[in-house]
Amino acid sequence: GAVVSQHPSRVICKSGTSVKIECRSLDFQATTMFWYRQFPKQSLMLMATSNEGSKATYEQGVEKDKFLINHASLTLSTLTVTSAHPEDSSFYICSAETFLGGGQNEQFFGPGTRLTVL
Amino acid sequence: DAKTTQPTSMDCAEGRAANLPCNHSTISGNEYVYWYRQIHSQGPQYIIHGLKNNETNEMASLIITEDRKSSTLILPHATLRDTAVYYCILGGTSYGKLTFGQGTILTVHP
Repeated sequence: GAVVSQHPSRVICKSGTSVKIECRSLDFQATTMFWYRQFPKQSLMLMATSNEGSKATYEQGVEKDKFLINHASLTLSTLTVTSAHPEDSSFYICSAETFLGGGQNEQFFGPGTRLTVL
Repeated sequence: DAKTTQPTSMDCAEGRAANLPCNHSTISGNEYVYWYRQIHSQGPQYIIHGLKNNETNEMASLIITEDRKSSTLILPHATLRDTAVYYCILGGTSYGKLTFGQGTILTVHP
């Protein structure tokens, strides 16, 4: 199956710094990528939808100036957590969508990035 | 809000079939039923999806009721590595964003 990678897999940073997380589709082109956040013992919450070459669409309650998303190519999307604070500590997961035959799409998830803000 | 309801947790003995139910009484005609699972601290893994016919692949079988208001994911011979959170999600042919509910915590025990 198709593979989506994320880098880094885990990061620890000091409060106030910015952290960039990369999401790559390794063997396919992704028209759309999605960013999710998951707090401990909770389900995944969609943060934003990212289409190559256009601005991301953020879900209600997600600050677009704090969570900067760039989707510069069909294989790479980045999420930058600006001025991170301890409450931003979470598991960040991306997914990439690609077209299959027969008018159907399929979505593949990355392994996630564990962010810890001290 | 998630449009599906699932039991919070289930247990299954290793080697036995695990049957995970999902209710989706408000499903619309063009919505598919997708199943994903998430093993601790990993990204979700696609399992199977279907529209109205039963589906089977190398991982599982999906049984959808005739009225499409509920479905069951069947893992025919559960192993310890199948212990995970299983999510039942509705979506179209063009996935778009997926709304994850709380899922079912499946624990497979020896």
